[in-house]
Amino acid sequence: AQTVTQSQPEMSVQEAETVTLSCTYDTSESDYYLFWYKQPPSRQMILVIRQEAYKQQNATENRFSVNFQKAAKSFSLKISDSQLGDAAMYFCAYRPGGTSYGKLTFGQGTILTVHP
Amino acid sequence: DSGVTQTPKHLITATGQRVTLRCSPRSGDLSVYWYQQSLDQGLQFLIQYYNGEERAKGNILERFSAQQFPDLHSELNLSSLELGDSALYFCASSPTSSSRNVNEQYFGPGTRLTVT
Repeated sequence: AQTVTQSQPEMSVQEAETVTLSCTYDTSESDYYLFWYKQPPSRQMILVIRQEAYKQQNATENRFSVNFQKAAKSFSLKISDSQLGDAAMYFCAYRPGGTSYGKLTFGQGTILTVHP
Repeated sequence: DSGVTQTPKHLITATGQRVTLRCSPRSGDLSVYWYQQSLDQGLQFLIQYYNGEERAKGNILERFSAQQFPDLHSELNLSSLELGDSALYFCASSPTSSSRNVNEQYFGPGTRLTVT
């Protein structure tokens, strides 16, 4: 079974600084997808970024980028120029590939605090 | 706004009761997923439907059941409720196999269930 581990229960960053959230996963599959979701105090789950395992290039979405290390099974999220609105719980998630029917397996989450 | 709607937003009920949570996926999405978020179990996959058929089952209790109707909306039925069933229940939908973003899941705002 696939597992996702986020080893940082809490992280903090100063506004305008950069922070990196860690995630590792375990799978025997070669085809899969990785995601970062943001859950602000409203509890809405918001998709932040996606990475396909077959792509070597790291995904980037504006101030959000990932460092995908397939061999190490590591998938970290870097938030640049942090803003107060980035404060939230962040979840790393894994989804098997090869089918459009795959469930998401989530990590335990990292609470990010942004200090003004 | 993800385009996925869930009703009700909040539900308070007593132990032993039965409730129904409703989800409408994004327009055109055929897959619906149900997830449970609780303090002790984190975010867990419950069940998935695709175009009216059950596709995958996760850690869903026998007291829980779901279905997807011809108009693609889905309902999650929870019966013989226990205090431990108190949680945030999310519905998510994903695009059809012809979409570029077929592997992404978009979450509704959730239904917060409190069992007293």
